[in-house]
Amino acid sequence: KNQVEQSPQSLIILEGKNCTLQCNYTVSPFSNLRWYKQDTGRGPVSLTIMTFSENTKSNGRYTATLDADTKQSSLHITASQLSDSASYICVVSELHNTDKLIFGTGTRLQVFP
Amino acid sequence: NAGVTQTPKFRVLKTGQSMTLLCAQDMNHEYMYWYRQDPGMGLRLIHYSVGEGTTAKGEVPDGYNVSRLKKQNFLLGLESAAPSQTSVYFCASSPRRGAGEQYFGPGTRLTVT
Repeated sequence: KNQVEQSPQSLIILEGKNCTLQCNYTVSPFSNLRWYKQDTGRGPVSLTIMTFSENTKSNGRYTATLDADTKQSSLHITASQLSDSASYICVVSELHNTDKLIFGTGTRLQVFP
Repeated sequence: NAGVTQTPKFRVLKTGQSMTLLCAQDMNHEYMYWYRQDPGMGLRLIHYSVGEGTTAKGEVPDGYNVSRLKKQNFLLGLESAAPSQTSVYFCASSPRRGAGEQYFGPGTRLTVT
């Protein structure tokens, strides 16, 4: 069964620190991998989208990396801010059924001053 | 642009009651989706539409019906609500199929007692 697993489930860091969130997937073959940010009580908002041929993509202080060989992705947040407190969701789309997105359960990040 | 909007934001139903959730988008997107989000699980696709007048089943369609009479609107209906349908429902739209970015609404929190 195609799955997307994220770690850690939750993370607490101090403002200004960096952190890295992990995503492992078994979807194969896959079309693209996305990272979304979901603030409490809001809908997910896209941070990055990477195809299988891309290794890294940045969006401001967010940098996503992808290793298609090991089926791993990470999201690195630099110089965290209080507004980074949210859930971060990894999403993979199947190559032969690109309408179907497989969502991870997310990592809940809390940034404290 | 308002993006993707959902009404209502909150609703409490008794078992057996019916209701319709409305999703509207003003981005002229062809594709629209309904998801549900439950604690400890990733978002799961209920139904989707690839254009006005079309609908298709997603991963968890049972107990739900949808209609796309106008391009900008996508309705999700519950004919006879059950406690298992207690969830947060998200609508999303995208300009193109599969690899395109999905834009999510703010969600509807539904409780069935």
